[in-house]
Amino acid sequence: GESVGLHLPTLSVQEGDNSIINCAYSNSASDYFIWYKQESGKGPQFIIDIRSNMDKRQGQRVTVLLNKTVKHLSLQIAATQPGDSAVYFCAESASGGGADGLTFGKGTHLIIQP
Amino acid sequence: SQTIHQWPATLVQPVGSPLSLECTVEGTSNPNLYWYRQAAGRGLQLLFYSVGIGQISSEVPQNLSASRPQDRQFILSSKKLLLSDSGFYLCAWSPSGSPLHFGNGTRLTVT
Repeated sequence: GESVGLHLPTLSVQEGDNSIINCAYSNSASDYFIWYKQESGKGPQFIIDIRSNMDKRQGQRVTVLLNKTVKHLSLQIAATQPGDSAVYFCAESASGGGADGLTFGKGTHLIIQP
Repeated sequence: SQTIHQWPATLVQPVGSPLSLECTVEGTSNPNLYWYRQAAGRGLQLLFYSVGIGQISSEVPQNLSASRPQDRQFILSSKKLLLSDSGFYLCAWSPSGSPLHFGNGTRLTVT
């Protein structure tokens, strides 16, 4: 079936450096993508989203890049801070974020080294 | 502003016992509601979603059921828990076409 997956399960970066978390998706009909951050023992927290009519979107210290040609999504976090340590999930929808929910990848654990 | 409440935060139940997890949303009307399950170190699996009172869609066959007795209330139930039902259960809501917003989850351990 269609799936969303991540290249690396764990990513370790130095505090202050930039980090890039990657995600590959296989459903060519996906038209809405979201990045979530999940801290230990908590629910996922929305970070940023992007629709398929865009290839880049920026937020505060975060940028999401979408490459539909190779079905690749990435999350860039600038100047990482200790509070950025968490598991990051990409998620996709083939219904524009419609009622049938999102399909999630397995997650990448981002570790910020002091 | 909208808020989502999910309880209890943790639960330990014996095999064969019933289950009832409750989720409520405040500050919005007619939200789409969702139950997800997250196994340790894994992604989220959609269990049920609802677009309105009494309307439940099930994504996977399982030992669980869901109900939506009121517009902003979503309940996850089981008549007899299995060991494999252990996990982290997350309720979420969204207006259509927007990101899901999650509660803080219930960690269920079936012993």
